[in-house]
Amino acid sequence: AIQMTQSPSSLSASVGDRVTITCRASQVIRNDLGWYQQKPGKAPKLLIYAASNLQSGVPSRFSGSGSGTDFTLTISSLQPEDFATYYCLQDYNYPWTFGQGTKVEIK
Amino acid sequence: QVQLQESGPGLVKPSETLSLTCTVSGGSISTYYWSWIRQPPGKGLEWIGYIYYTGSTNYNPSLKSRVTISVGTSRDELSLKLTSVTAADTAVYYCARALYLSGYWSLDYWGQGTLVTVSS
Repeated sequence: AIQMTQSPSSLSASVGDRVTITCRASQVIRNDLGWYQQKPGKAPKLLIYAASNLQSGVPSRFSGSGSGTDFTLTISSLQPEDFATYYCLQDYNYPWTFGQGTKVEIK
Repeated sequence: QVQLQESGPGLVKPSETLSLTCTVSGGSISTYYWSWIRQPPGKGLEWIGYIYYTGSTNYNPSLKSRVTISVGTSRDELSLKLTSVTAADTAVYYCARALYLSGYWSLDYWGQGTLVTVSS
C-alpha cells in the first residue's frame, strides 16, 4: 500500500497566519490526492480534490498544490474556524490511504 | 442536498459480526460509488472499501477476508458487515459518497459517523 506521510503532525498558529501542511507519498500518485478537514466529533469534510481543485463552497483561503509525490495544503490567512485536524488521502490506487493527520492548534 | 446516516449496534461482542447500515437521502444511490471509512478513537482514518450502485466492490486488503459492503434491498441503503471482530475494530464508522468525475475521485458527502465498540 502507498504510505502517506504528513508533516508536521501538529502546529500552533495564530489567526491571520499563513499555514502550510505537506503530504508525501511513498510512490508517484500523479495528482490523485485530496485534503480533508476534521473537527472534533465531526465527520471529515472535503476541501481539495485532484491536488489543487477547491471543492464547491470551501473558502478561497484554502489551496492545494503538488504532483507526483509531494503535495501542499495552504491556508492563506488562518481563521478561528480553521482550527482542526487535516488529512490527505491518495486515491491513485487501492487501497486508498490517508496521511496520519496534522492538528492545527491555536497559539 | 445529499445526506447520509449510519446506524447499527453500538456494542458488538468479540468474534461476532459488526453490521451497519447507511441510509442515503436527498439523492439516489444510482450512478455513484459509496465508501466506508473508519477511525479508531483518537487515531487516524482508514479506508475500508467502496461499492458501486451496480454492486461491484473494492476492499482494503487488510480487511478483505472479513468485510462485505452491499446495497440494501430498499435501494437507498448500503450495508457494511465485518466478521470476527476484535477490540482493534472499535472505531467510528463513516459512510461517504465517492464521486468519480473527470477521472478524479473525491469523498464529497459524509455521514456523521457511528461509534462501534467491541467488548464483551
